[in-house]
Amino acid sequence: DTVLTQSPALAVSPGERVTISCRASESVSTGMHWYQQKPGQQPKLLIYGASNLESGVPARFSGSGSGTDFTLTIDPVEADDTATYFCQQSWNENTFGAGTKLELK
Amino acid sequence: QIQLVQSGPELKKPGESVKISCKASGYTFTDYAMHWVKQAPGKGLKWMGWINTYTGKPTYADDFKGRFVFSLEASASTANLQISNLKNEDTATYFCARSNWDYWGQGVMVTVSS
Repeated sequence: DTVLTQSPALAVSPGERVTISCRASESVSTGMHWYQQKPGQQPKLLIYGASNLESGVPARFSGSGSGTDFTLTIDPVEADDTATYFCQQSWNENTFGAGTKLELK
Repeated sequence: QIQLVQSGPELKKPGESVKISCKASGYTFTDYAMHWVKQAPGKGLKWMGWINTYTGKPTYADDFKGRFVFSLEASASTANLQISNLKNEDTATYFCARSNWDYWGQGVMVTVSS
């Protein structure tokens, strides 16, 4: 299985820029997607194909990377962005990262 | 609008079976496959597999071969997940998600406890 390793929990202040990383154990080309999940809710797709913004998602969110190293950037961070962010690869079947919990100071 | 609406929470005993449903609306059901994803309490997401909604052919991830069955009621635009011989470690929320991963059901909490 392709293992996805995410950065640990992060704490940032509103208005700042935050980057959340995801490293794959093998190349997944651009088959990487990013989700936001709030407690008690289903995951919400933010970015697909490594860098494509899902319809309706604010342009504050962006994604980059290819191969094994990927990044989700939120700029600027808003209070409502408090959530857990998961990466997912669909290049080699499907696997998810363990999630990065984003807290606001 | 596109929706995936799942059935309600379940409380079961070890050894019992459970069947949960995912009803799609707002699009042609057979145009998109359906994925199933498990999330244990406080944990991350685990892909269980998917079902081809046109042919009915299921594909299971390795950890979900044996006690897990994906099925369809295509005339009702519904995908189902059945888990047999329930174990404590099956306690989780189960999500369905359309093949583009753009729409998810609200999740079904299954609790297995004696």
